[in-house]
Amino acid sequence: DAMVIQNPRYQVTQFGKPVTLSCSQTLNHNVMYWYQQKSSQAPKLLFHYYDKDFNNEADTPDNFQSRRPNTSFCFLDIRSPGLGDAAMYLCATSAGTSQNEQFFGPGTRLTVL
Amino acid sequence: GEDVEQSLFLSVREGDSSVINCTYTDSSSTYLYWYKQEPGAGLQLLTYIFSNMDMKQDQRLTVLLNKKDKHLSLRIADTQTGDSAIYFCAEVGAGKSTFGDGTTLTVKP
Repeated sequence: DAMVIQNPRYQVTQFGKPVTLSCSQTLNHNVMYWYQQKSSQAPKLLFHYYDKDFNNEADTPDNFQSRRPNTSFCFLDIRSPGLGDAAMYLCATSAGTSQNEQFFGPGTRLTVL
Repeated sequence: GEDVEQSLFLSVREGDSSVINCTYTDSSSTYLYWYKQEPGAGLQLLTYIFSNMDMKQDQRLTVLLNKKDKHLSLRIADTQTGDSAIYFCAEVGAGKSTFGDGTTLTVKP
């Protein structure tokens, strides 16, 4: 049973054309994370939500925004994708921020043309 | 800030043991994790260890923790071709995980 679902698995967009990636979870976890992973690199945390509280990493570009309309869903919006934003985007959830295991979705591979 | 380092590549023969090493800097880390990532897929949690433990064994996996040296290792016994993947070490603290750059394990038949 899928617990963290990401759609689509593959997304192609054009340079500068806004794109939204989605994540949903069936775990009822209160924390949801978005990571960016470029080829052969470690996942890099962009931001996370603790319930409705949004926590942005200091070096996350303004081009990246997020929405969490309810516990189950979280969206990553890239307002004006550049070629450098092509990457795998991973969504994860956890039951709390205190040392708890993160459950990862399968990721969305974003290509920017 | 926190930093996690791993060697980038490891190649072993099928049936041998694999040992993947990791060093970290945040001494306040309470949990340390090992994730496996197959091509085009998300991260799969393999195992984790509490910082007050020295060793944890789970079937073919053995995790060793040297807290004094901030060194973590993952040993895979009887490595199989299906174990070929990227393995990430991660430390968790203060609401986020810090990942190493991953070790690509190649298993040769």
